[in-house]
Amino acid sequence: QSALTQPASVSGSPGQSITISCTGASTDVGGYNYVSWYQQHPGKAPKLMIYDVSNRPSGVSNRFSGSKSGNTASLTISGLQAEDEADYFCSSYTSSSTLNVFGTGTKVTVL
Amino acid sequence: EVQLVESGGVVVQPGGSLRLSCAASGFSFDDYAMHWVRQAPGKGLEWVSLISWDGGRTYYAVSVKGRFTISRDNSKKSLYLQMNSLRAEDTALYYCAKAGRMTTILAELDSWGQGTLVTVSS
Repeated sequence: QSALTQPASVSGSPGQSITISCTGASTDVGGYNYVSWYQQHPGKAPKLMIYDVSNRPSGVSNRFSGSKSGNTASLTISGLQAEDEADYFCSSYTSSSTLNVFGTGTKVTVL
Repeated sequence: EVQLVESGGVVVQPGGSLRLSCAASGFSFDDYAMHWVRQAPGKGLEWVSLISWDGGRTYYAVSVKGRFTISRDNSKKSLYLQMNSLRAEDTALYYCAKAGRMTTILAELDSWGQGTLVTVSS
């Protein structure tokens, strides 16, 4: 099972919106609504930001939103803030025997 | 408050074995599937293994299948990862993580431990 494809880096200025893509196949992202997104600051454990494509856990800012079209899921961060600078990983259920796959990860830089 | 505390990470020689543990608290452990996820130094997340809430079903990444075994002891609220035939490429920080929904393997990972470092080197 190959990792889902994400851009290596995305950047934006404070207050702007950015979007991170996560591209898979019909056997994972495109076939199921079990896409989640995780934020990881340096030296810290990952934190769940989005689940089931577009749902936010309690306590996560509504500046974070998720969507999906075909085999590509997306995470949008609006009103970019300095604290959003981190690595972001998508994940999906997959119909392969492994059941789970992560994306390659995207480093978000706030200019 | 959910707490997951991993332990057991050490420096081990190639071909060696190691058992990681994860002590859980703050939730009904036997109602949730559990995962191991690893992260090599400076690299991304790699899903390693999943065990159902009752231990009846297990799943593995291709890279570890046949070498690693996931297990759990619900009476001790503990998760384990037995790692055999270790390779240099298994060097990573190993996280245990909790599924976000009860009694299903189809769920996000909503809580993570801080990880335990495994280094495979001669």
